[in-house]
Amino acid sequence: EDQVTQSPEALRLQEGESSSLNCSYTVSGLRGLFWYRQDPGKGPEFLFTLYSAGEEKEKERLKATLTKKESFLHITAPKPEDSATYLCAVQAGGTGANNLFFGTGTRLTVIP
Amino acid sequence: GAVVSQHPSRVICKSGTSVKIECRSLDFQATTMFWYRQFPKQSLMLMATSNEGSKATYEQGVEKDKFLINHASLTLSTLTVTSAHPEDSSFYICSARVGRGFGETQYFGPGTRLLVL
Repeated sequence: EDQVTQSPEALRLQEGESSSLNCSYTVSGLRGLFWYRQDPGKGPEFLFTLYSAGEEKEKERLKATLTKKESFLHITAPKPEDSATYLCAVQAGGTGANNLFFGTGTRLTVIP
Repeated sequence: GAVVSQHPSRVICKSGTSVKIECRSLDFQATTMFWYRQFPKQSLMLMATSNEGSKATYEQGVEKDKFLINHASLTLSTLTVTSAHPEDSSFYICSARVGRGFGETQYFGPGTRLLVL
């Protein structure tokens, strides 16, 4: 059964304090792993797609990496505006391959 | 990135009434759109896949007669919650698929907050 687990559930950081969010997954044939940012009361905003182990992508203070079992979202020197819930989703290669299967997210709070 | 809009952004209705939510792809055509539901502090749960010109595909446990989906054009999908009840109160989010197969991405709308009294 496809499974996505994100940790920690919540993370509080001081401004400038770098950290990483984890997304562990078990899927039958990974087609893609997606990271989204969701602000309260808003829809998810697309950040990255990763397709194969060893792949890395960066955007401003965010860097996503992928292994065969997990993905990390590294946040370097975060700012208060980085506060949001970060969602990880996987797309499997089996039946229902259209679907994105989401984790429950990590709620990040960056304190000034 | 691709832009997806939803209307209305929030709606309050009485129990027993029907509510229609629109999802539009603004700067691209989307043959496939998705409808999700999200309860407070929970993640997104896929309700159905909406395909232009054909019937929607519903996830297990989602009542197709209660959540009517129409994808009549390449830029518009609608979700109608029929005979809404308080337990249908939730945050409904649509997404549109860009690309096909390897490299495809889903872009999400801003969501619709439904409150059924």
